[in-house]
Amino acid sequence: SQQGEEDPQALSIQEGENATMNCSYKTSINNLQWYRQNSGRGLVHLILIRSNEREKHSGRLRVTLDTSKKSSSLLITASRAADTASYFCALTGTASKLTFGTGTRLQVTL
Amino acid sequence: ETGVTQTPRHLVMGMTNKKSLKCEQHLGHNAMYWYKQSAKKPLELMFVYSLEERVENNSVPSRFSPECPNSSHLFLHLHTLQPEDSALYLCASSPDRVVGNTIYFGEGSWLTVV
Repeated sequence: SQQGEEDPQALSIQEGENATMNCSYKTSINNLQWYRQNSGRGLVHLILIRSNEREKHSGRLRVTLDTSKKSSSLLITASRAADTASYFCALTGTASKLTFGTGTRLQVTL
Repeated sequence: ETGVTQTPRHLVMGMTNKKSLKCEQHLGHNAMYWYKQSAKKPLELMFVYSLEERVENNSVPSRFSPECPNSSHLFLHLHTLQPEDSALYLCASSPDRVVGNTIYFGEGSWLTVV
């Protein structure tokens, strides 16, 4: 089954800056989700974008999806120290499997 | 508080022990899942239950035995584990088994096999 590959694997920024992380995949998808995981905790759903959507917003989060490039990006604007976490994309492929990537570790420093 | 509660949060067990992980969801969902998360590896789906029936078993060794007595509770029984089974075990639920639904995760149970 396919999984998304997040890029970069790790990202360190200062508070107030924007953080952008990307997810690339290889086959067709039905939808794509982004999840967040604080260290040693469970995953929390952030946003879902369907294959016929190009952009969605939720608070300081902006997700884009480019099905022609088979990629998605998650932008966190005006980052805060509390945004420090790992971020995962999860793909629902046409084979009806939900697969997670290995994540991007985001560190936001004061 | 996600509505999915896992106990214990931490467990250390010897290779000959028998222990169980417990999960309870308060969301009225019909599907429940066990995932394994190891360092630097993608999240691995282990088992899927829909309306208390196991619908998916992803080649998980028999030393892991799931049990779903009702749609709110899910157990993972552990027996004669190996050190490489040490990982974070995550329980999750979703409204139904439709793939692509939002998944609601518990806080996880950290398992160390010594």
